Amino acid sequence: GENVEQHPSTLSVQEGDSAVIKCTYSDSASNYFPWYKQELGKRPQLIIDIRSNVGEKKDQRIAVTLNKTAKHFSLHITETQPEDSAVYFCAASSGLVGANNLFFGTGTRLTVIP
Amino acid sequence: DVKVTQSSRYLVKRTGEKVFLECVQDMDHENMFWYRQDPGLGLRLIYFSYDVKMKEKGDIPEGYSVSREKKERFSLILESASTNQTSMYLCASSPDGPGETQYFGPGTRLLVL
Repeated sequence: GENVEQHPSTLSVQEGDSAVIKCTYSDSASNYFPWYKQELGKRPQLIIDIRSNVGEKKDQRIAVTLNKTAKHFSLHITETQPEDSAVYFCAASSGLVGANNLFFGTGTRLTVIP
Repeated sequence: DVKVTQSSRYLVKRTGEKVFLECVQDMDHENMFWYRQDPGLGLRLIYFSYDVKMKEKGDIPEGYSVSREKKERFSLILESASTNQTSMYLCASSPDGPGETQYFGPGTRLLVL
């Protein structure tokens, strides 16, 4: 089955700096890669996603890149702000397993230091 | 706006008790999921359902069962709660079709004493 690895597990950056979180996946059939943000005590919420027919997607200060050949994808946050502090999860899905299952990474705790 | 709700935010139970966690979604989604979330382990899939009365085991189904009698409702059952089932439980739902994202409920933090 699919195996998603996520690094780093914790990340601290100064406010205004960039943050990068990387994920790798094992199943070459995976074609959908969402990123979730989970603030303390709250539910995970989708912040951006990318499908395998594109290599990069951007939404204001966040962007995701996908390298299908290398089977890795990354989340980039620019001009970080304290409200970006949260746990971020990457996930991968092929749409072929069960009910369109997502396979999650173990999460990255991002701390933005004011 | 998708809304996924869970019956309790916090729950304290004793070892051996039967525990019911309920999840309801209002978007007519075909797929529903139950995860547990533990520090350092991310989100682990317990069970999922892709239709009424249908259920499939996820990665860690031992000690759990589920029920989906209606499309909008997916229940997670701990037949005999144990201390190692102390965790955060998250429900999610998604529409059918490839590449559809999942929408999460607020979670239930369960403590088994």
